[in-house]
Amino acid sequence: DQQVKQNSPSLSVQEGRISILNCDYTNSMFDYFLWYKKYPAEGPTFLISISSIKDKNEDGRFTVFLNKSAKHLSLHIVPSQPGDSAVYFCAAPRGTSGTYKYIFGTGTRLKVLA
Amino acid sequence: DVKVTQSSRYLVKRTGEKVFLECVQDMDHENMFWYRQDPGLGLRLIYFSYDVKMKEKGDIPEGYSVSREKKERFSLILESASTNQTSMYLCASSLGLGPQHFGDGTRLSIL
Repeated sequence: DQQVKQNSPSLSVQEGRISILNCDYTNSMFDYFLWYKKYPAEGPTFLISISSIKDKNEDGRFTVFLNKSAKHLSLHIVPSQPGDSAVYFCAAPRGTSGTYKYIFGTGTRLKVLA
Repeated sequence: DVKVTQSSRYLVKRTGEKVFLECVQDMDHENMFWYRQDPGLGLRLIYFSYDVKMKEKGDIPEGYSVSREKKERFSLILESASTNQTSMYLCASSLGLGPQHFGDGTRLSIL
C-alpha cells in the first residue's frame, strides 16, 4: 500500500525567497502526484500535478520536481509571497485498484514572513 | 469552475444523535469522496463512491455510512455520533483520473 510522508510539519520563509516543500512516497506503481493548498476554514484547492513522464512541471511561481529513483517530490515556490501562507498537502495514488483514489500526506504549514 | 457545496459550515450535535452531512457537486463527476481532517493526521478517507449507489470503504469507515442516490449528491451519515467524531469533514469530487475538487468543509462538534 502507498504511504505518503511530509516530514516537515512547518516551514517559515522570508517574502521573496524560495519555499521548498518535500514529500516522500513508497509505491511507485502509479507515478502521478498532486499538490494542494489549504487556507484555514476553506477546503483544499488543487495547485499543480506531475506525472512520471516528466521530472518537472511548472506553473507560474510553482514548480514541482519528481525524483522517481528516490521516490521523492518537491514543490518550489519562487518568489514566496505572504498570500502563499497555507498548509500544503501532497497526494499520491493509493496503488490499489482504482488510481483515482489518492492518499494524502499530513501537510506542511508554510508561513511567508513579510 | 467545479463547485462542491457542503450543506453546513459549522454543526453542533449531541452524543448519540444521528447526523447527516450533505454534499452536492455540479460538474457531473462520477467520483465522490468524504474525508476528515484532524491536526497532525492530514486528510483521511472515510468513504468514496464511483457511481450512483456504489460505495467503497476508505481508511476509517467505522461509525459512518454513506448514501448516493443521485450522481450529484453524496451524504455522510454518523449513525450514533460520538465525541471522537468531532472533526473537520471534507467532501470532494473528481472526474476519472483528474484531481479532486473539495468543498469548504463542515466543522462538526459532538458534545
